[in-house]
Amino acid sequence: EAGVTQFPSHSVIEKGQTVTLRCDPISGHDNLYWYRRVMGKEIKFLLHFVKESKQDESGMPNNRFLAERTGGTYSTLKVQPAELEDSGVYFCASSQFYGSTNTGELFFGEGSRLTVL
Amino acid sequence: AQSVSQHNHHVILSEAASLELGCNYSYGGTVNLFWYVQYPGQHLQLLLKYFSGDPLVKGIKGFEAEFIKSKFSFNLRKPSVQWSDTAEYFCAVKGNTGFQKLVFGTGTRLLVSP
Repeated sequence: EAGVTQFPSHSVIEKGQTVTLRCDPISGHDNLYWYRRVMGKEIKFLLHFVKESKQDESGMPNNRFLAERTGGTYSTLKVQPAELEDSGVYFCASSQFYGSTNTGELFFGEGSRLTVL
Repeated sequence: AQSVSQHNHHVILSEAASLELGCNYSYGGTVNLFWYVQYPGQHLQLLLKYFSGDPLVKGIKGFEAEFIKSKFSFNLRKPSVQWSDTAEYFCAVKGNTGFQKLVFGTGTRLLVSP
């Protein structure tokens, strides 16, 4: 079974440019999460999709970040325009269980490292 | 708001030494607790988890963790570490009702010297 895949693994862009990160969850997983880790800090929650709907986007830093999950399959996270403080590793995770008590394990991708110069 | 505190940011041990990584959390309800590990060049993977029942939880590769509710702690232990345990370890907590997000600590980098 394929795991969570993320693309690109590393992206280097200049301040003001746009970057789009993609996540393919494990097939059949309704829940998809985006997290970010800025160097040396904790892994911080960005948002949670249940199928194609945004369940919780309380962690999105500002309106320069746009996440989509059309059709409830893969998801994209676009940063436009990128700023220096957006540098970090963006993790995607998915989980299987759908319901009010989601205790399912999260399966993580390897992350997309974003460097903004 | 939920928060997780990991006391040790860097730990260096020799092979066969015992390991204990501290984790304390803050949350005003019933929680699910996790330890994730990230080996060099690999993705985060689940080491062990606590949902309910026996507070002593055993995970993969000889790791275990004990949930002490009165201390809001979930420390990770291993009696004898190996060089292959070199990795970064993350404690995480999630409320167990509704669509609760997983909240991580800052991580502990463990280096095991052969």
